[in-house]
Amino acid sequence: QVQLQESGPGLVKPSETLSLTCTVSGDSIKSYYWSWIRQPPGKGLEWIGYIYYSGSTNYNPSLRSRVTMSVDTSKNQLSLKLTSLTAVDTAVYYCARAERLATGFDYWGQGTLVTVSS
Amino acid sequence: QSVLTQPPSASGTPGQRVTISCSGSRSNIGSNTVNWYQQLPGTAPKLLIYINDQRPSGVPDRFSGSKSGTSASLAISGLQSEDEADYYCATWDDSLKEVFGGGTKVTVL
Repeated sequence: QVQLQESGPGLVKPSETLSLTCTVSGDSIKSYYWSWIRQPPGKGLEWIGYIYYSGSTNYNPSLRSRVTMSVDTSKNQLSLKLTSLTAVDTAVYYCARAERLATGFDYWGQGTLVTVSS
Repeated sequence: QSVLTQPPSASGTPGQRVTISCSGSRSNIGSNTVNWYQQLPGTAPKLLIYINDQRPSGVPDRFSGSKSGTSASLAISGLQSEDEADYYCATWDDSLKEVFGGGTKVTVL
């Protein structure tokens, strides 16, 4: 059974950089697209970007200047870095898998709440 | 404001049929397939419908999806109490990003 688990700090100060890791178990990360998606409290979903297992990326234009994604196939992990945080970045951050870009995200992590506050 | 437009809420009594609309444009729904997600309270979203009308294994056939032009719909027939959740449509936009609807909260009366 495929499982995704996000990990990282729950509280980050404004202007700092958020670093999150998603550990995948039950299957290889190879041959899939991996996305990060966030959801502010009480609000809808926002796609942050995706990374293919080969390392190619595509980021949401609204976040592109602040986002970096990477993948470590040896550890079956993917990572997200988001710089220059403000309060509007407070959200639950999910990692999710897609077999192809059109087929939707078939596996999701449980999500991790990140609060940006001093 | 979301790129895809959904009604904020929908409701029905047990056994009824509920339909949720998702309106987009030529650059998203009009030229790409649509997926639907169900998010139960306090949980991660779950893929409910993919490529417009396909159900992943394990999703009851009470859930069905359709697409026409720049709009899509999700129908829940035989509404059950466990269907009370938020539902999101999603698709790829030609501006090179995945876009979601604002979500529809379904209440079982």
